[in-house]
Amino acid sequence: AQTVTQSQPEMSVQEAETVTLSCTYDTSENNYYLFWYKQPPSRQMILVIRQEAYKQQNATENRFSVNFQKAAKSFSLKISDSQLGDTAMYFCAFIASGGGADGLTFGKGTHLIIQP
Amino acid sequence: DGGITQSPKYLFRKEGQNVTLSCEQNLNHDAMYWYRQDPGQGLRLIYYSQIVNDFQKGDIAEGYSVSREKKESFPLTVTSAQKNPTAFYLCASSDWGETDTQYFGPGTRLTVL
Repeated sequence: AQTVTQSQPEMSVQEAETVTLSCTYDTSENNYYLFWYKQPPSRQMILVIRQEAYKQQNATENRFSVNFQKAAKSFSLKISDSQLGDTAMYFCAFIASGGGADGLTFGKGTHLIIQP
Repeated sequence: DGGITQSPKYLFRKEGQNVTLSCEQNLNHDAMYWYRQDPGQGLRLIYYSQIVNDFQKGDIAEGYSVSREKKESFPLTVTSAQKNPTAFYLCASSDWGETDTQYFGPGTRLTVL
């Protein structure tokens, strides 16, 4: 079974600053995907970024980028030039390749607050 | 517009009643999932379905039932056997076996009165 750990229950930064959210995971799988999802107050789960484990290059999506360290089983999310609209819960999630078998395994989330 | 819809947005149930939550997708995805979210926790898998007329239990299936008669639809029934059904329920779908990326509906908040 897989586990996903987010060690920061809450973080707060000033608008326009850069913030990094941490995520570690444990798995015996070699092929898998990692995701960051954002859940704003509306509670809609929104995909932020996706990383395939077999790709060494870190994924980027505009202001969002990841630092994927496969050997260390670490998958952190960096948000650059943070905006008020980035305030939300952020969840790290794991799924084995080809495996809807267990669905996504989620961490407990980090509540990110962007201060004006 | 392609997407996932869930209804109703809010649902109230009396103890002892069964209720059904709707989930529909027009993304042409084969796989669909139901998750439950409780305060302070991530999402936990209730049921999933990879193809029509087939579904599998997730981690917390007790007290829930599903059906998958059409590719587009995956309704969840919360039965009276579910001891603590008050929660936020999220439906998702994915192009299983391709990118395995799951996209979520807006959710249903179920409250037991």
